[in-house]
Amino acid sequence: TQLLEQSPQFLSIQEGENLTVYCNSSSVFSSLQWYRQEPGEGPVLLVTVVTGGEVKKLKRLTFQFGDARKDSSLHITAAQPGDTGLYLCAGARGETSGSRLTFGEGTQLTVNP
Amino acid sequence: DAGVTQSPTHLIKTRGQHVTLRCSPISGHKSVSWYQQVLGQGPQFIFQYYEKEERGRGNFPDRFSARQFPNYSSELNVNALLLGDSALYLCASSLGQGGIMSLHFGNGTRLTVT
Repeated sequence: TQLLEQSPQFLSIQEGENLTVYCNSSSVFSSLQWYRQEPGEGPVLLVTVVTGGEVKKLKRLTFQFGDARKDSSLHITAAQPGDTGLYLCAGARGETSGSRLTFGEGTQLTVNP
Repeated sequence: DAGVTQSPTHLIKTRGQHVTLRCSPISGHKSVSWYQQVLGQGPQFIFQYYEKEERGRGNFPDRFSARQFPNYSSELNVNALLLGDSALYLCASSLGQGGIMSLHFGNGTRLTVT
């Protein structure tokens, strides 16, 4: 059972376009993280959201945690080729779960110059 | 500062063999977690160790085992390898074991079982 559903699975866009990636679940998470993974490397943490309705901005990236803490979105403005990579959402359930994360299957983003 | 280091980077084994993967956490980090990432999927939690004790185990068979040493480095062992064990094995370290953790991942060990 996949607890976190990411969509779309694949996304290929032109430089300068905007995009949104979604992460949905029927379960409540105490916190949710977004990672980016490049070929041959491990995932790198981008952001952690904790409070329902929370919005965090990281330069051209905007992250939102749903009010019910069951879903999240990642919006990228004016995408650049350097944004290419696998974007993963990961949720923690319970305050003691710590590093026991449930990952989505990822969204493979390709930004063409 | 050195990040999380994993060895070897690549490994090819035959069905039925066993394998040991190694991980050195970031200096000062006491928690190590192991994840399996099959091609085209997100990582799946295997184990967490903190202060040399197992603190969490994912839905993996007993063929998978791990341990953490006094210097906080860790080993993941897999016995009786199956073709389906082919994956990228990721190690992540963090300061503590609970709460909201920032995981720092290594670049993984790519295991191929033939």
